[in-house]
Amino acid sequence: KNEVEQSPQNLTAQEGEFITINCSYSVGISALHWLQQHPGGGIVSLFMLSSGKKKHGRLIATINIQEKHSSLHITASHPRDSAVYICAVKETSGSRLTFGEGTQLTVNP
Amino acid sequence: EAQVTQNPRYLITVTGKKLTVTCSQNMNHEYMSWYRQDPGLGLRQIYYSMNVEVTDKGDVPEGYKVSRKEKRNFPLILESPSPNQTSLYFCASSRMALYEQYFGPGTRLTVT
Repeated sequence: KNEVEQSPQNLTAQEGEFITINCSYSVGISALHWLQQHPGGGIVSLFMLSSGKKKHGRLIATINIQEKHSSLHITASHPRDSAVYICAVKETSGSRLTFGEGTQLTVNP
Repeated sequence: EAQVTQNPRYLITVTGKKLTVTCSQNMNHEYMSWYRQDPGLGLRQIYYSMNVEVTDKGDVPEGYKVSRKEKRNFPLILESPSPNQTSLYFCASSRMALYEQYFGPGTRLTVT
């Protein structure tokens, strides 16, 4: 079992839909990252959070440390949101990052 | 412009021929890291560096070396590349380990 599990692996939505991507982890962490990888391959950091909730534009990330779970929400989805979304955790011990396998999101017009 | 640069962007080489992939950041970041990305396996950390002269192994360090002699540079060295090191490599940096990471554009390496 991977230390970081994402669901779903693939997600297809219609433009305007509300989208949720989930990330569960099995280790103690000090921080969790959400990343976006565009079809061209470039990776952008969306959020880094250690508790609570963060919002940036149409994106919202939440984390529940007790349940070892985080969610990434996209409101009013748009075709330009089509990308792979990756969750990564920094373990409490040490400074290495462990990644989920990613969620491929396709938003159709 | 704040950025992380990697060179080369694409490289095809043969087994056993030593190579270096350079990584440089202009943001005065302390933390730098190398990752490889493979289909079905996602991103995996190779090595990271908390600061100059401080490096540590990630999940898949075998077959790789790194050095951090200056704050801005963090080269990845493959002393004797093998075909199983064919992959997409990303360098990243952040102010410190617990901060948002900035990724380089990636280096696609093929070892034949």
